[in-house]
Amino acid sequence: GQNIDQPTEMTATEGAIVQINCTYQTSGFNGLFWYQQHAGEAPTFLSYNVLDGLEEKGRFSSFLSRSKGYSYLLLKELQMKDSASYLCAAMDSNYQLIWGAGTKLIIKP
Amino acid sequence: DTGVSQNPRHKITKRGQNVTFRCDPISEHNRLYWYRQTLGQGPEFLTYFQNEAQLEKSRLLSDRFSAERPKGSFSTLEIQRTEQGDSAMYLCASSRAGLDYGYTFGSGTRLTVV
Repeated sequence: GQNIDQPTEMTATEGAIVQINCTYQTSGFNGLFWYQQHAGEAPTFLSYNVLDGLEEKGRFSSFLSRSKGYSYLLLKELQMKDSASYLCAAMDSNYQLIWGAGTKLIIKP
Repeated sequence: DTGVSQNPRHKITKRGQNVTFRCDPISEHNRLYWYRQTLGQGPEFLTYFQNEAQLEKSRLLSDRFSAERPKGSFSTLEIQRTEQGDSAMYLCASSRAGLDYGYTFGSGTRLTVV
């Protein structure tokens, strides 16, 4: 079957670094996406990985290991506005996104 | 390009009533998706269209739910005889078929069935 696993909730301190992990199993694989979702709002695109390695984009970086079915999202220099849910989604062979339940990130001052 | 537009933003309805939501995707996107999301969960797939053809429908979707995309542009999602369990955020997203891009989501329609 198809499955995405990520932690339910994480807490971090303003200014610190946090890593949100995601493991996936899909029928075929066309890439791994991370989305940010603030409460009551729609998800917004953060990153896309299809090759192994680290993609850096400002304070956010995303890593993929296809052989391990594993990805992480790294957030640096945390700001209070980063408090949100972070959704991991894998694209299967039909170009459909299989979604995780999201990781709620709580930032404390 | 104004992104993906959904209307209404909020809908409160009495149990048993029918509701219809509209989604206007990004104009050059030929795939359109409907998702349902409840608190603390990821988006749950409902159905998707490529142009005007409805290519897949979730097995979890009851026959009270129907979606159309008559001219391959905007889409409507109708829920008949609403139940309290239908209360959720209904998200529409669009994408280009065959390319490794993610989806662009609309702001969603929050449905409350009382």
